[in-house]
Amino acid sequence: GIQVEQSPPDLILQEGANSTLRCNFSDSVNNLQWFHQNPWGQLINLFYIPSGTKQNGRLSATTVATERYSLLYISSSQTTDSGVYFCAVAQSNFGNEKLTFGTGTRLTIIP
Amino acid sequence: NAGVTQTPKFRVLKTGQSMTLLCAQDMNHEYMYWYRQDPGMGLRLIHYSVGEGTTAKGEVPDGYNVSRLKKQNFLLGLESAAPSQTSVYFCATQRAGSNQPQHFGDGTRLSIL
Repeated sequence: GIQVEQSPPDLILQEGANSTLRCNFSDSVNNLQWFHQNPWGQLINLFYIPSGTKQNGRLSATTVATERYSLLYISSSQTTDSGVYFCAVAQSNFGNEKLTFGTGTRLTIIP
Repeated sequence: NAGVTQTPKFRVLKTGQSMTLLCAQDMNHEYMYWYRQDPGMGLRLIHYSVGEGTTAKGEVPDGYNVSRLKKQNFLLGLESAAPSQTSVYFCATQRAGSNQPQHFGDGTRLSIL
């Protein structure tokens, strides 16, 4: 099956810093989502981005499908950004889109 | 995570006991999924359903059964709970068609003693 690798595994930053999280995948995909798992365990949808670039406030994401990677950018980090960020991909475009998750990047923002 | 409700939020079981986790959605989505998340890992798919009355196995189906008798509900059953099933369980839904994201519930934390 498809492999998903995220880097770095852990990241500790001062409040206000910028960060880039990377997701590499081993095969072509039709679905790619970024999630933030907050300290309470909730999975928050950040982006649905199988290709292209999207922005939402301080967060933006870019997926280069032909090169099999996606990047999540966080600017001006805040302590509420702490948590684990997951990339998940699927290869089917019509249902049965069984998401395969990476192991996540744990982000800690220090005040 | 409005729209996907998981019940219960927490549960402690003894080995060998049975229980059912409920996922209810009000978004009229066709597809529903059950995942489990173990410490330090991403989510892994247990079972899924592409419509009322249909279910299929995912990556880690052993020890679980599911049913989708109504479109809005997807049940995950543990017939004889084992400590290896201690995990956080997430339900997700998805609208049929292309370019549709999955939407997740808040999870059920299950401990098997």
